[in-house]
Amino acid sequence: DQQVKQNSPSLSVQEGRISILNCDYTNSMFDYFLWYKKYPAEGPTFLISISSIKDKNEDGRFTVFLNKSAKHLSLHIVPSQPGDSAVYFCAASAGGTGTASKLTFGTGTRLQVTL
Amino acid sequence: ETGVTQTPRHLVMGMTNKKSLKCEQHLGHNAMYWYKQSAKKPLELMFVYNFKEQTENNSVPSRFSPECPNSSHLFLHLHTLQPEDSALYLCASSQVGGSIHEQYFGPGTRLTVT
Repeated sequence: DQQVKQNSPSLSVQEGRISILNCDYTNSMFDYFLWYKKYPAEGPTFLISISSIKDKNEDGRFTVFLNKSAKHLSLHIVPSQPGDSAVYFCAASAGGTGTASKLTFGTGTRLQVTL
Repeated sequence: ETGVTQTPRHLVMGMTNKKSLKCEQHLGHNAMYWYKQSAKKPLELMFVYNFKEQTENNSVPSRFSPECPNSSHLFLHLHTLQPEDSALYLCASSQVGGSIHEQYFGPGTRLTVT
């Protein structure tokens, strides 16, 4: 049973436009959400996160939105750049601020930004 | 070295071999993790070490044996693996405490079992 789902395996966006990557979760105990970016032959790189007490977090071109009632989060990248082409993973964590975090990952969405 | 390093980057082994994967983190973190990534599947958490103590074994077969001698080093000892164990094995580290949940990953070891 997959608790974190990324239903779009791939997305193609033109350079300069907005990229929107979506993620759904089923476990209502998740209270912290993260996005990771992965290039081929490299490990995932932390991008941005959001706590369940917020509904938006912004960092430069990247904004994450959280809709707790819908158990849905999205990552917006604007403007999209060719260097953003990578696989993006959504991850979620349930509590455990005093212990090691256990992340549950989605299957990833491959973003291709075209010229 | 900076961040999280893993060696070797690629490994081919037979089903009767014994090998070890090594991970080292240079971030001063106190928790380390092993993940497995198979094709078309999400990253699967295998083991968690918190302050050198194993706190999670996510129903991993005994042919995978982790070792964490200190908070900077993590090993994954492999023996009598099966072809379906071929995957990308990723190590990560994080700092326990506060509101931080972010984990930082190494580049991974691409393992092929023949």
